[in-house]
Order: sequence, then structure tokens, then C-alpha cells
Amino acid sequence: EAGVAQSPRYKIIEKRQSVAFWCNPISGHATLYWYQQILGQGPKLLIQFQNNGVVDDSQLPKDRFSAERLKGVDSTLKIQPAKLEDSAVYLCASSSLTSGGPESSYNEQFFGPGTRLTVL
Amino acid sequence: KNQVEQSPQSLIILEGKNCTLQCNYTVSPFSNLRWYKQDTGRGPVSLTIMTFSENTKSNGRYTATLDADTKQSSLHITASQLSDSASYICVVSAFSGTASKLTFGTGTRLQVTL
Repeated sequence: EAGVAQSPRYKIIEKRQSVAFWCNPISGHATLYWYQQILGQGPKLLIQFQNNGVVDDSQLPKDRFSAERLKGVDSTLKIQPAKLEDSAVYLCASSSLTSGGPESSYNEQFFGPGTRLTVL
Repeated sequence: KNQVEQSPQSLIILEGKNCTLQCNYTVSPFSNLRWYKQDTGRGPVSLTIMTFSENTKSNGRYTATLDADTKQSSLHITASQLSDSASYICVVSAFSGTASKLTFGTGTRLQVTL
């Protein structure tokens, strides 16, 4: 099966500019995640969608970050305006998780290749 | 606060040698522990997943152990290959009754050389 697709793979912008990332999850996967991975650190969850509804966006800096999942399939993550500290790899992941019960903790997430953002 | 700490931060070994990576966690309520491999420029790929009752699991040359009492896990790589060069991330899942949350470690960067 095809994996999680992300674009662009690399993006360089100046601070205060806007940028958008796109993610296409594995076909049929109900749950989609966006992570921020700063160099030398583990991924940090920004937002989790189940179908087109938001499950968890507690760590999303909502003053500058926004995300949407169109028709429960593709998703876009936007940063406006960007800051120097936003330089990171933005990973998209998807899983077949459809509910929030105990079985959800065993659900495997499949990651895309990421988008490397550099803010100058 | 849930935390996952990994050691060493980085490691260089010769091809063919074995190595062991460590993971200590303080995550509650614990559900399962996963090890991921992340190649440079790629997303993480799952190697193993272990529940509370499992204390060892293998995936080819990778063997993970879990001691739920001491809240420690290790990932042992046997007969290392150049392709094992990557970051290895320990991830612990907590389930609170309504939702699960993953806590990621910062990873161990492994370099296998000739």
C-alpha cells in the first residue's frame, strides 16, 4: 500500500512569511496527526484529527498555526507568520484508529517523510 | 509530567558489532512502549511494540526488552549493518480512559562504520 505523502519536502522562508504544508494519509486511515520535530528532539504532537474533526490540538500554537482536514482525507498545516523557532521537520502520520477506547493506545501510526522548514 | 529519557545520545560502532540502547520512562498510566527507527530525512518506522505483560520482543536483529517495574526498556541490535545507521526513538503510550497519548524520547543517534 502507498505510504503517507507530504509536500513540499523542503521549504525555506523568511520570518514573518507564511507557509503551508500538505499531507495525504494512507487510504482509509481515519486518524491523521501533525508533529513538529526540532533538530535533536523527538516529535511533538501539534494536532490530531479523527476523520475531519479535531481530537487534540492542545499543543498547537493557535495564534500562528492552523490546520484543517478536508473531507476527512488530505490535510494542510499553515504557519502565519513564521518565527525563527518554527524551524523544524513537520511530520504527518496516519492510523486506522476509529475510536478512543483502550485499543487506541495500540494503534500503529505510519509516518510520512516530513517537510523540513527553515526560517531565516 | 510524562517523560521519556534515552541514552546514550549518540553512539558510533563498527559494522558487525552489537549495541544496546536504553530508555527510561515516567509515563502514567502506562499502556505500551514502542521503538521506532528514523533514517535521516525520513519519518519514523515502528520496530517493536510491547505491552505491560511482555518483557521481550524481537524483530529480526532487533530485540527490545521491557522491565515495567523499573520502567526501563532497552533495544539490542545484533551484528550491526551500515543500514542500521539512524536515530532510534523510544515512545511510550499512556491511556487515560478516554484517549491515548504518546510521549516521545529524544532518540539515540547510531552510526555504524566500516
